Amino acid sequence: GNSVTQMEGPVTLSEEAFLTINCTYTATGYPSLFWYVQYPGEGLQLLLKATKADDKGSNKGFEATYRKETTSFHLEKGSVQVSDSAVYFCALRGSRTTDSWGKLQFGSGTQVVVTP
Amino acid sequence: EAQVTQNPRYLITVTGKKLTVTCSQNMNHEYMSWYRQDPGLGLRQIYYSMNVEVTDKGDVPEGYKVSRKEKRNFPLILESPSPNQTSLYFCASSLQGNTEAFFGQGTRLTVV
Repeated sequence: GNSVTQMEGPVTLSEEAFLTINCTYTATGYPSLFWYVQYPGEGLQLLLKATKADDKGSNKGFEATYRKETTSFHLEKGSVQVSDSAVYFCALRGSRTTDSWGKLQFGSGTQVVVTP
Repeated sequence: EAQVTQNPRYLITVTGKKLTVTCSQNMNHEYMSWYRQDPGLGLRQIYYSMNVEVTDKGDVPEGYKVSRKEKRNFPLILESPSPNQTSLYFCASSLQGNTEAFFGQGTRLTVV
């Protein structure tokens, strides 16, 4: 079945540092890939997405590129702020031709802590 | 405002006492699902529904029931809760199975 593996946290950074969170996946067909963010006490919010190979999703200074050859979707931000402190989840959604269509498969989440 | 609303936000109950967590969305979405979030495991899908009266099991359905009698509502039912169902639960909806998912605020359930 489909699976998502992301780096374990917590990741602790100073403000303005560069952030990378690695995410790799296993899936049949052509899944869609997502990054969700969960701020303390809140539900998950979509941060960015990519629906086909070589697509780059971007939002709020975050970027991730769908790399089919390496089955990866790493999240990056060039200069983090304290307000970026949250838990980040990588997820995939199976393609329409597979049994997993519609289901979001999540990684275990990576907590990011940004200090002033 | 487009949103997914879950109730209650927090619930403490005793083993075996039936409970229902409600979920409602106001976006006319077809696809709805329930997830549980546990430390180190991410979110795992419990049940999903592709439309009214169409529901199916996710990865961890044991001990849960759902129904989809109306498009906007998708309640999660625990007929006989047990301590291993202590978790943080999220309801999500999307226009269709392959579009962006919107999540509720979560329900933190403790079963003692």
